[in-house]
Amino acid sequence: DADVTQTPRNRITKTGKRIMLECSQTKGHDRMYWYRQDPGLGLRLIYYSFDVKDINKGEISDGYSVSRQAQAKFSLSLESAIPNQTALYFCATSDSDRDPGYGYTFGSGTRLTVV
Amino acid sequence: QKEVEQNSGPLSVPEGAIASLNCTYSDRGSQSFFWYRQYSGKSPELIMSIYSNGDKEDGRFTAQLNKASQYVSLLIRDSQPSDSATYLCAVNVGSSYKLIFGSGTRLLVRP
Repeated sequence: DADVTQTPRNRITKTGKRIMLECSQTKGHDRMYWYRQDPGLGLRLIYYSFDVKDINKGEISDGYSVSRQAQAKFSLSLESAIPNQTALYFCATSDSDRDPGYGYTFGSGTRLTVV
Repeated sequence: QKEVEQNSGPLSVPEGAIASLNCTYSDRGSQSFFWYRQYSGKSPELIMSIYSNGDKEDGRFTAQLNKASQYVSLLIRDSQPSDSATYLCAVNVGSSYKLIFGSGTRLLVRP
């Protein structure tokens, strides 16, 4: 099984619908992140969480919300999906017990299409 | 100005050559630097990390860091067609524990 699992892998949804992307991890890492990737724009940070009670906005949080249900689970919601949220979404984790900035472990990604 | 900048490429090199990928960053407080490789439609994979000025070698890969000039580079020796991918530079700004990514450089290794 993958260390960081994202569900669903692919999703097509309609404009205005609410959708949740889920991320779970078995690495025991405390930090979790959501990024989106668009062609030519690289990875942009949406939200991040350093523990269950800590939620922080990233550079592009508008239109998104998150929930850290447990140390191992971090969900991303699009309250009312719009076409420009069509992107590849990645969840990532890191471990505060390692050196600062040790690096991330990424999930396999969710390809979301809003029509 | 973007925080982390990379040339989008594509950078095309023949098989066996050295590929040189470059990245500049804007925040002088940056402490940790990473290179990720990403194949099309796949997740990024960490290949190198570097924290101190100078060179760090791992197999065919060498990361180079110059904090005074605010650039980090990745050299790939004996490039193989399987190295064809997008290479993402990432920077950890200060003690924030969140990575800022460049937009990536696409590398093509011609057989």
